[in-house]
Amino acid sequence: AQSVTQLDSHVSVSEGTPVLLRCNYSSSYSPSLFWYVQHPNKGLQLLLKYTSAATLVKGINGFEAEFKKSETSFHLTKPSAHMSDAAEYFCVVSDGRGNEKLTFGTGTRLTIIP
Amino acid sequence: DAGVIQSPRHEVTEMGQEVTLRCKPISGHDYLFWYRQTMMRGLELLIYFNNNVPIDDSGMPEDRFSAKMPNASFSTLKIQPSEPRDSAVYFCASSYGTGIYGYTFGSGTRLTVV
Repeated sequence: AQSVTQLDSHVSVSEGTPVLLRCNYSSSYSPSLFWYVQHPNKGLQLLLKYTSAATLVKGINGFEAEFKKSETSFHLTKPSAHMSDAAEYFCVVSDGRGNEKLTFGTGTRLTIIP
Repeated sequence: DAGVIQSPRHEVTEMGQEVTLRCKPISGHDYLFWYRQTMMRGLELLIYFNNNVPIDDSGMPEDRFSAKMPNASFSTLKIQPSEPRDSAVYFCASSYGTGIYGYTFGSGTRLTVV
């Protein structure tokens, strides 16, 4: 079975500084990995996905993530934080066997300091 | 496409009353998922369908919860009778094929049982 661990429940950064949200996964197969973002009182929006192509994945709003198999990590980064990035971020894994069920992390709340 | 459409956006009901939540998936998507989100328990998968057939309902809390998908464009989640501990945000999501593609989420229904 697959699992995902978001290493920080809460991250605070100043506007204009880099963002790093950490995610480690466990999967017996070649997984697909996703990051979703949830703004307050909104639904979950797909930010980016890795599906065994390029290991560096670019998403919307300047976010990107790098798949590192040796470290079983899929950290989310952004060079410069914007106030509108304040939200909850979820790392998600699919086990790679064509299983339709996704496993969600517990989420990381990102706060942007003006 | 209008995305996954859920109704109502907000529902306030008294304990003991029946509540019905509705979802219209994206046309052409063959999987539909119902999730519940609370502060205490995060995102929980309640049930999911493939081609209108329930595949896994192991996440449904108890017999008070039931879900149906009478056709490819409509699903309901019913709670009867409702209890205060059912208060949560309920999300519907749909996907095409297996988990490799990720899910598209609706905006959710915020249920408050008083």
